[in-house]
Amino acid sequence: GQQVMQIPQYQHVQEGEDFTTYCNSSTTLSNIQWYKQRPGGHPVFLIQLVKSGEVKKQKRLTFQFGEAKKNSSLHITATQTTDVGTYFCAGPQDPIFGNEKLTFGTGTRLTIIP
Amino acid sequence: NAGVTQTPKFRVLKTGQSMTLLCAQDMNHEYMYWYRQDPGMGLRLIHYSVGEGTTAKGEVPDGYNVSRLKKQNFLLGLESAAPSQTSVYFCASSLRTANTGELFFGEGSRLTVL
Repeated sequence: GQQVMQIPQYQHVQEGEDFTTYCNSSTTLSNIQWYKQRPGGHPVFLIQLVKSGEVKKQKRLTFQFGEAKKNSSLHITATQTTDVGTYFCAGPQDPIFGNEKLTFGTGTRLTIIP
Repeated sequence: NAGVTQTPKFRVLKTGQSMTLLCAQDMNHEYMYWYRQDPGMGLRLIHYSVGEGTTAKGEVPDGYNVSRLKKQNFLLGLESAAPSQTSVYFCASSLRTANTGELFFGEGSRLTVL
């Protein structure tokens, strides 16, 4: 079945440094979603990418969808303490049937050193 | 609007006991999901529902049953709890399919099986 891997699993950065997490799927994705989960909280939707090569920005966050639609990245510029949390990517489990099931990546846990 | 509400938020069970987790959403969403989250494993789909009266198996359905008798409610049952079911359980809903719409998550239910 489809697998979605994220690297790194953990990232510790100094406040103000940049951060990037990478998401790789074993199959081509029709779209990819990103979620953020604060410590002790629940996942919250950030964005969805649909087109090959798509790039979207939300303030200091930049999301990219690979040309082959099998990988994606999230880059945060000049991290702040509010960025602490775990970032998950998620893609449809079965792209052929446009299904209802999302496969989540293993997540990247970001901690900030003040 | 409350969004997605899960009850209970915490529960401790002994091996072999049964329990039901309740998820309620007030957004008139068609699709509802139950995920479990374990350290280092991301979110794994247990069961999902595409509408009232329908349910389907996800990635890790064994040991769980679900029911969707009303559109706004999705129940997750454990008939005979096992220590391996110790986890944080998240309910989610979406307006359309997970392929085309963001998931809204509840705050989670932390279950410990002794």
